[in-house]
Amino acid sequence: KQEVTQIPAALSVPEGENLVLNCSFTDSAIYNLQWFRQDPGKGLTSLLLIQSSQREQTSGRLNASLDKSSGRSTLYIAASQPGDSATYLCAVKGGADGLTFGKGTHLIIQP
Amino acid sequence: NAGVTQTPKFQVLKTGQSMTLQCAQDMNHNSMYWYRQDPGMGLRLIYYSASEGTTDKGEVPNGYNVSRLNKREFSLRLESAAPSQTSVYFCASSEGSGRAEAFFGQGTRLTVV
Repeated sequence: KQEVTQIPAALSVPEGENLVLNCSFTDSAIYNLQWFRQDPGKGLTSLLLIQSSQREQTSGRLNASLDKSSGRSTLYIAASQPGDSATYLCAVKGGADGLTFGKGTHLIIQP
Repeated sequence: NAGVTQTPKFQVLKTGQSMTLQCAQDMNHNSMYWYRQDPGMGLRLIYYSASEGTTDKGEVPNGYNVSRLNKREFSLRLESAAPSQTSVYFCASSEGSGRAEAFFGQGTRLTVV
């Protein structure tokens, strides 16, 4: 059974710092990996999708990498802002069924 | 630009009552999913429909039924609600290929008392 772990569970940093969120998964037989953002009481917003054949994807200040063989992904946030405060979720897709999610990293950016 | 729409947004039920959560997508996606999100547990798959006319159990299907009404709509039914079903429910859809991006609705916050 696929298991996804996100480290750290919570992170608080001053505004302007670059930061890295980590995601690991136990079964490397995946189609893709998706990073989401969730604001309190809201739904999930897709940030980046990395296919299994790709090494990284970039969107603005966000960069996600994937090392499928080692079962790891990182989400890099450059020049963090208070508006980046949210919970970040990592999820992998291994087949026709749905995504397997990690429990998330709760991020607070201090002004 | 609606994407995935869920109704209702909030609901309070008494133990034993039944209700149906509605989900509709306007992206012509083949696959649709229902998840529940609980504190400390993350999101877990309840049921999914890989294509119109098919449904399959996910990780936590007990106490739920689903109906893929047509390509747009996928409903989740609680026949006899229990306090353990208090959760936030999310519907999602994707194009259907294994590589497709998933899109989520805004969620339904359900409390069973």
